[in-house]
Amino acid sequence: GENVEQHPSTLSVQEGDSAVIKCTYSDSASNYFPWYKQELGKRPQLIIDIRSNVGEKKDQRIAVTLNKTAKHFSLHITETQPEDSAVYFCAASYASGGSYIPTFGRGTSLIVHP
Amino acid sequence: GAGVSQSPSNKVTEKGKDVELRCDPISGHTALYWYRQRLGQGLEFLIYFQGNSAPDKSGLPSDRFSAERTGESVSTLTIQRTQQEDSAVYLCASSLRQINNEQFFGPGTRLTVL
Repeated sequence: GENVEQHPSTLSVQEGDSAVIKCTYSDSASNYFPWYKQELGKRPQLIIDIRSNVGEKKDQRIAVTLNKTAKHFSLHITETQPEDSAVYFCAASYASGGSYIPTFGRGTSLIVHP
Repeated sequence: GAGVSQSPSNKVTEKGKDVELRCDPISGHTALYWYRQRLGQGLEFLIYFQGNSAPDKSGLPSDRFSAERTGESVSTLTIQRTQQEDSAVYLCASSLRQINNEQFFGPGTRLTVL
């Protein structure tokens, strides 16, 4: 099965700074890498995803990069705002009996100080 | 349209009792997933359904856990003889296709085993 490591577990930044969260995965067959944001007491929601045929994807202040050779992918948030404060989860989808199951990282608690 | 719903939102039970958790996916979503999230932890995959079959049950922690799904609709997760370590939030998610599609999460059921 897949194993996903996520770092750091906690990230504290000042408003306006950039934040970077990194994940590594073990199964080279994984080909879909979503990122979910979970605000306190709320359900996880997809914020961006990347597929293995793309190296980088950007959506306004959020970008994700993927290095398949090194088996790692990262989330970049620029010009952070207090409302970016949440727990962020990365995931890698691996093959299981012909289907794909997402394995999630343990999460990064991002705190943006105003 | 309506999102994923789960019931009950909270469940308190005594050790040794059985509990049944319900998930109503988004209409038309063929894939349905169950996750467990312990306090401050990541998302632990339990089981997924494609239609009403469960190709991967590898995440179920013990034989006390079981799940079923009726057609491409409601799913129930049953925990028999609950233990204190079963206390967690149980999240359900659905997606339009099983492979590489955004998962929409329900609000979760918070289970407390006394």
